[in-house]
Amino acid sequence: AQTVTQSQPEMSVQEAETVTLSCTYDTSESDYYLFWYKQPPSRQMILVIRQEAYKQQNATENRFSVNFQKAAKSFSLKISDSQLGDAAMYFCAYRSAGAQKLVFGQGTRLTINP
Amino acid sequence: ETGVTQTPRHLVMGMTNKKSLKCEQHLGHNAMYWYKQSAKKPLELMFVYSLEERVENNSVPSRFSPECPNSSHLFLHLHTLQPEDSALYLCASSRSEAVRSEQYFGPGTRLTVT
Repeated sequence: AQTVTQSQPEMSVQEAETVTLSCTYDTSESDYYLFWYKQPPSRQMILVIRQEAYKQQNATENRFSVNFQKAAKSFSLKISDSQLGDAAMYFCAYRSAGAQKLVFGQGTRLTINP
Repeated sequence: ETGVTQTPRHLVMGMTNKKSLKCEQHLGHNAMYWYKQSAKKPLELMFVYSLEERVENNSVPSRFSPECPNSSHLFLHLHTLQPEDSALYLCASSRSEAVRSEQYFGPGTRLTVT
């Protein structure tokens, strides 16, 4: 079974600085998708960024980018120019290709200090 | 209403009550999900419905009974719950035939079992 591990329960960063959230996963599959979801205090979970395992290029969405290391099974999220609105729980998730089930990590609570 | 909506947002029930959680998606999706989010635990997938058929039941106790009458609506019927069932219950939807389809989440129902 696949597992996802987020080793940082909490992180904090100064506004406008850069922060990196860690995620590792365990799988024997070669084709899969990885996601970072954000859950603000209002609780609606939204997708931040997605990475297809077959793509070598790291995904980027505005201030959010990932460092995908397939051999190391590592998928970290970098947030540049942190803003107060980035404060939330961040979840790393795994999905096998062709499957619908998402496997989530434990989450990292990110605090932005003004 | 847009996206995925859930009602009620908060629910307090006794162990002998029967209640139902409702989820509605306005995105034209054909797959719907129930997740349980407990404190200090990863999100746990409970049920998956694809094209109105249950395709996954993640070893959920029978006191939780899902119902998917059509592709836009999903219910979770609750009966004889235990205090450890207190959690945030999240509904999500996606396009089941699209391998790259992301899951869109509702705001959740905060359930407290007394």
